[in-house]
Amino acid sequence: GAVVSQHPSWVICKSGTSVKIECRSLDFQATTMFWYRQFPKQSLMLMATSNEGSKATYEQGVEKDKFLINHASLTLSTLTVTSAHPEDSSFYICSASRDWTNTGELFFGEGSRLTVL
Amino acid sequence: AQSVAQPEDQVNVAEGNPLTVKCTYSVSGNPYLFWYVQYPNRGLQFLLKYITGDNLVKGSYGFEAEFNKSQTSFHLKKPSALVSDSALYFCAVNGGANNLFFGTGTRLTVIP
Repeated sequence: GAVVSQHPSWVICKSGTSVKIECRSLDFQATTMFWYRQFPKQSLMLMATSNEGSKATYEQGVEKDKFLINHASLTLSTLTVTSAHPEDSSFYICSASRDWTNTGELFFGEGSRLTVL
Repeated sequence: AQSVAQPEDQVNVAEGNPLTVKCTYSVSGNPYLFWYVQYPNRGLQFLLKYITGDNLVKGSYGFEAEFNKSQTSFHLKKPSALVSDSALYFCAVNGGANNLFFGTGTRLTVIP
């Protein structure tokens, strides 16, 4: 089956530092990956669509300079939270699709819990 | 615009009893419908999907869902609940846009 891996699972950082989260598709190539943010007891909020070889598409209200997304290869997308602050603490989840156009099916990473002190 | 509604924040059911988690959707065109489950501090796990074909879809861990076009519903069901089924369940729809729209989630608690 399709496997998406996220790293790290947990990260704690000081306010003002930057944190990078990786999302890898382990057994398939993904031209498109998605980044979500989940607040406690809430649904997933789409932050951006990561496109291999081109700029990410950000959802309204998401600061592109704050949340840098890079999709340098067909198996790796990274989310960098720059100058993190406590309000950025959240659960970040990535997903990828093997054949979005035909299946619309996403495979999710295990999520990354960010805590900013 | 696409949307998904999960009218119940919480569903409690006794172990061994049948369970239903409700989902209604609104899309233009033919919907792709999904159910995912999330355990604490984990990502989402795929349960089942409806793309086309039989209205009753069978998925992982004994779950099934029935697509009802006239009622625009896609309720998740299981004949006999297990304590280990306790988790957060999300319904999602892909209405043609390049993403999934998620419901707000329903927390299922199976009582021993």
